[in-house]
Amino acid sequence: AQRVTQPEKLLSVFKGAPVELKCNYSYSGSPELFWYVQYSRQRLQLLLRHISRESIKGFTADLNKGETSFHLKKPFAQEEDSAMYYCALRDGQNFVFGPGTRLSVLP
Amino acid sequence: DAGVIQSPRHEVTEMGQEVTLRCKPISGHNSLFWYRQTMMRGLELLIYFNNNVPIDDSGMPEDRFSAKMPNASFSTLKIQPSEPRDSAVYFCASRRGGGGNTIYFGEGSWLTVV
Repeated sequence: AQRVTQPEKLLSVFKGAPVELKCNYSYSGSPELFWYVQYSRQRLQLLLRHISRESIKGFTADLNKGETSFHLKKPFAQEEDSAMYYCALRDGQNFVFGPGTRLSVLP
Repeated sequence: DAGVIQSPRHEVTEMGQEVTLRCKPISGHNSLFWYRQTMMRGLELLIYFNNNVPIDDSGMPEDRFSAKMPNASFSTLKIQPSEPRDSAVYFCASRRGGGGNTIYFGEGSWLTVV
């Protein structure tokens, strides 16, 4: 079965420190992966997708098929990055979401 | 486009009452999803439709939950009778078919059953 895991429920870093949110997946085909962010009491919104190979708000994520990972990274965290982050995998027309990681950036 | 529109935004109801949540997907999107979000269980897919047809409802908790999509621009999620453990945020999302297209979420319906 298709599955997305995010091992950390909560990640706390200091402002200016590097941050990496981990995501691993299991998928039998060629995966299509996304990161979504949810700021406090707001809707989930797309942060980035692997096929675009883009950097959004300083975040990047590289698909590593060998390690079946799609970790989200930012070299210098900002307080406004504090939010819930969900890794997701497209499985046909469905989207499978990981359990989420709450990132807290401390001043 | 106004995005995915959900109503009500907030609802407080008594146990045993019927609850109906509504969703208007983005125009032109042909897939619609209902998710439930709780602190304990995170984001759970309840059901999704493609071209108004339910494709996978395996996430629907039990018979008290039902969802319909009578046309391409409207869907409902109904809970009857409601129970306190149904308290959660219910998100509707939609997507245009085709590879690379992402899923867009509504602002959610915050349900509290007392």
